[in-house]
Parts: sequence; C-alpha cells; structure tokens
Amino acid sequence: GAGVSQSPRYKVAKRGQDVALRCDPISGHVSLFWYQQALGQGPEFLTYFQNEAQLDKSGLPSDRFFAERPEGSVSTLKIQRTQQEDSAVYLCASSLGGTGLFFYEQYFGPGTRLTVT
Amino acid sequence: AQTVTQSQPEMSVQEAETVTLSCTYDTSESDYYLFWYKQPPSRQMILVIRQEAYKQQNATENRFSVNFQKAAKSFSLKISDSQLGDAAMYFCAYRSAGGGNKLTFGTGTQLKVEL
Repeated sequence: GAGVSQSPRYKVAKRGQDVALRCDPISGHVSLFWYQQALGQGPEFLTYFQNEAQLDKSGLPSDRFFAERPEGSVSTLKIQRTQQEDSAVYLCASSLGGTGLFFYEQYFGPGTRLTVT
Repeated sequence: AQTVTQSQPEMSVQEAETVTLSCTYDTSESDYYLFWYKQPPSRQMILVIRQEAYKQQNATENRFSVNFQKAAKSFSLKISDSQLGDAAMYFCAYRSAGGGNKLTFGTGTQLKVEL
C-alpha cells in the first residue's frame, strides 16, 4: 500500500482482556516502531524492530506488553490483561533504515485508539 | 536521557499571518536531528521539517522555517502566511544521530488558525 496502515482503528476492551493491534508498514521498510500516545500528550517510544529483530524494547511499560514482527513485515503489539491506564492511541511508524537522515525518516500510520473500560 | 519541552499548549494565529512555535530540548550529545511533526485530527503524524544539528543553516520548507540555536538548545518553528489547513497539533521531536532511531517528542502545541 501507499502508507502505513493499522488495524483496528478503534478498539474497546474490558479491563483484563487481551488485545492485539496490527501494523502493516510500507513495503520494503526495514525499520518499524511502536509509540504510545496518551490523551493530550506526545507519543512515547515503546519498541523498535529492524527486520524481524527487536532491537530496542526499553519503552514497553510492563511485561504485559509484547510486540513481534516474525517475518520482518507486519507487526503485532499485544497487551495482556489490559488496564485502564493502557487507554491511549498506539502509533506505528516505519522507515527504510540504512544510513543517513533520508533513509531514517519515519512514516506514521493513523494509529489505533484503545479504550479500556 | 533526552527531553523535549514545548511550553505553549495552545497558540492562535490569524489567517495569512505569521506564528512561531517554541521548542527547547536537553541533550548531552553533539550530533542529533530535530523535527517538527504536524498531527491533524485524523491522528496521522506528518513530517513538516527537519534539521541536522551539524548544519548551521536553518532548514526551510516553503512556508515553514526553523530557528535552530544549538548553544541555547532551542528549535522554534515559524509558519508564514498561515492557512486554515495549518490548524493541528504540532510536535517537536529529537532523534539521536548514533545508535537508536527512536524519536523523543514534546507534549505538543495546538495551533488554531482564525479567519
């Protein structure tokens, strides 16, 4: 596709449920990022993949959060036993990777708005 | 760790006028990149302009320009000839030049454009 796509766009979960959020990056993009954006805040980094390797997961807030990218393209962010504080927009971004600023430009998807009730 | 601060939660500008959004950052690194992103209500982040820290010349993209003051760790965005379509949330972001590629964002400035 032409851009990064995410699904679902909206998700409502009851506290304690598990959720899975999907990201389809731009074809050929090596790098993939997940960010969490709480209401009225800027996005905060969660995790980063280069191809299928998860190189940085320092931003994951707890062990309830898990991300994977098994074939180096589509990625899934999974949240187990959701809590109210998990309510946020989850943004995915991809970039070509490589060297130099040009290849590192991150293209963002529209995000998934998660509401935990 | 790097931090990015945007001290203006909201700004207003009249159509066709000029507005400046402020951003300061804190880092111990000498080589890095700075960005301004626009986020309309659709939530899709759009890159507006970028600046490499090693470049002294301020970046310019059509009606958008920056004032990059490396010593002061300041990176403001100037929007000239403001248009209704410029209304959005604007985020300042930092990225280290070496190692990790993650972006560190500020809290954003909501820009309103008035007729």
